[in-house]
Amino acid sequence: KQEVTQIPAALSVPEGENLVLNCSFTDSAIYNLQWFRQDPGKGLTSLLLIQSSQREQTSGRLNASLDKSSGRSTLYIAASQPGDSATYLCAVPLSGGYNKLIFGAGTRLAVHP
Amino acid sequence: DAGVIQSPRHEVTEMGQEVTLRCKPISGHNSLFWYRQTMMRGLELLIYFNNNVPIDDSGMPEDRFSAKMPNASFSTLKIQPSEPRDSAVYFCASTKGGNEQYFGPGTRLTVT
Repeated sequence: KQEVTQIPAALSVPEGENLVLNCSFTDSAIYNLQWFRQDPGKGLTSLLLIQSSQREQTSGRLNASLDKSSGRSTLYIAASQPGDSATYLCAVPLSGGYNKLIFGAGTRLAVHP
Repeated sequence: DAGVIQSPRHEVTEMGQEVTLRCKPISGHNSLFWYRQTMMRGLELLIYFNNNVPIDDSGMPEDRFSAKMPNASFSTLKIQPSEPRDSAVYFCASTKGGNEQYFGPGTRLTVT
């Protein structure tokens, strides 16, 4: 059974710091991994999708890496800003197709000025 | 593109009433997902459709929940009768070809 764990559960940092959020999964037979952002009271916004054949994906100040063999992904946020404050979730699809996603519990990030 | 559209955004109802949540996926997407989010259980997949056909409804809590997708541009999630423990945020998401999932803004349901 696929399980997704995110560490830390919460993080509070001053503006400007570089951050690493961690995601681990128990079944390495995944074909992609997706990182989302959720603002309070809002829906989920897709940040990055990494295919199983890729090692990393970058979008602006965000960089996500994937190590299938060890069942880990990291989301790196460079030069954090107060606007980055949100909950970040990672999700992997169950084997069998159709992109049925299993989510981690999320990391709640607060960036203070 | 308008993204995934959900209605209503907020719903407050009394226990025992029927509740219908609506979703319009992104045009051209062929898979649609219904999720529920609570503080206690996080995000849970309830049911998903591929090409309008229900593929897996194992996440539907019980017979009070039902979902339909009569065409490629519309889906409903119905709860009848509703109970206070159904209070949650319900999200609809869509995707094309098993790639990125795009979520709607959610419906916040409160059952009193």
